[in-house]
Formats: sequence, structure tokens, C-alpha cells
Amino acid sequence: SQELEQSPQSLIVQEGKNLTINCTSSKTLYGLYWYKQKYGEGLIFLMMLQKGGEEKSHEKITAKLDEKKQQSSLHITASQPSHAGIYLCGADKDAGGTSYGKLTFGQGTILTVHP
Amino acid sequence: DTGVSQDPRHKITKRGQNVTFRCDPISEHNRLYWYRQTLGQGPEFLTYFQNEAQLEKSRLLSDRFSAERPKGSFSTLEIQRTEQGDSAMYLCASSRWESSYEQYFGPGTRLTVT
Repeated sequence: SQELEQSPQSLIVQEGKNLTINCTSSKTLYGLYWYKQKYGEGLIFLMMLQKGGEEKSHEKITAKLDEKKQQSSLHITASQPSHAGIYLCGADKDAGGTSYGKLTFGQGTILTVHP
Repeated sequence: DTGVSQDPRHKITKRGQNVTFRCDPISEHNRLYWYRQTLGQGPEFLTYFQNEAQLEKSRLLSDRFSAERPKGSFSTLEIQRTEQGDSAMYLCASSRWESSYEQYFGPGTRLTVT
């Protein structure tokens, strides 16, 4: 089954700084999903990447999927305190591209943004 | 639409007791998922439903765990004879079947087994 590794595990930045979170897969990704979680709450869907080289943006958050479809990065430009939380990458639990919604997640990256 | 709700938000129980959690999904979503999350880890898939049918159970889900979704609406997750290792956040999510990657999560039920 799919395994995802995120780095760094935690990140502390000053407001206004840019940052990048990485997600590496043990197998080819047929769909890579980014979610955000506030402490003690549920996850919020951010975006989905499917094609090699694909890049998507949502407000000041940009995510890319590399050409080989085994690594994704999430980049935040000019971070704000509202960006703080846990960022999780997710993928289909069973490799092969058939998404039935059984997701597996990385361990998460805790982002702290100091005003 | 009020989103996915879960009840209770917190549950403290003694080892050996049974507990039941409830999840109310977004009304037009026919897919419902249960995940378990421990501190410092991402959610782990437990089981999921398409309408009232339970389609798959993870090997993480021992015989002490059972989930139902009668009438394809709300769902319950029951844990019998709780163990300390069951302490975790239990998350429920729902989605449309055609966009199952875009899941809407509830706030979770935090279970503490003492």
C-alpha cells in the first residue's frame, strides 16, 4: 500500500516569510491531495494534483506534483498567522489509481507562524 | 448545510467498557468514512460506506470494532471492551462518490481510555 513521508515535521516562521513542505511517496502517485488541520479539529481539503508536473494554487498556497509523480511540494508565499495548522498530504491507500476514497496520509507538518 | 457533525466530542471511559460514537454526514453525500488519528500521525483509514453498505474494513479494525450506517444516513462506530491502545481521535468524513478524494471531515471524537 501507499506510504507518504512529509518533511519537515514542524516549521516555525515569521509572518511574511515563504515556506515549503514536502511530501514523498514510496510508489507512483495517481492522485495527491493536500489537507489542512487545525489543532483538535477535522481536516479541510485544499487541493488535488493528478498529472505529473501539475501545479495548482489556492490563495497564497501553491502545490506541485513532480514529473515522476512521487513527490509533491506545498509552498506558502508571505505566510500569515491564519496559515498556521497541520498540513497533511494524502493519497489513495491502494496504489493503482482507483480512488474509492480510502486515503492514506503522511504524518503531517506542524506550521507555526509568528506575528 | 451544516457540515459533518460528530457526537460526543470527547469521551473518557474505563478499560473494558463499551463506547459508541455517532457521525452525521453532509446530507447529499453517499460516501462515509471513519479514520483514527493518534498524536503526531496522520489519520488512518478504518472503514467506509457507500450509502448503507459497508464496503471495506481495514485490518486495523479488530473484532471489537463495529460500524453501521442504517438507512444510509448517520453512522455509528462502536468499540467493545475498550483498551488503552484505543485512545485516539476518531474522525468521520463524507463525500460524493464521484469526488471521493474531496472529503469533508467532522471535528472528531477524542477517546481516552483510562
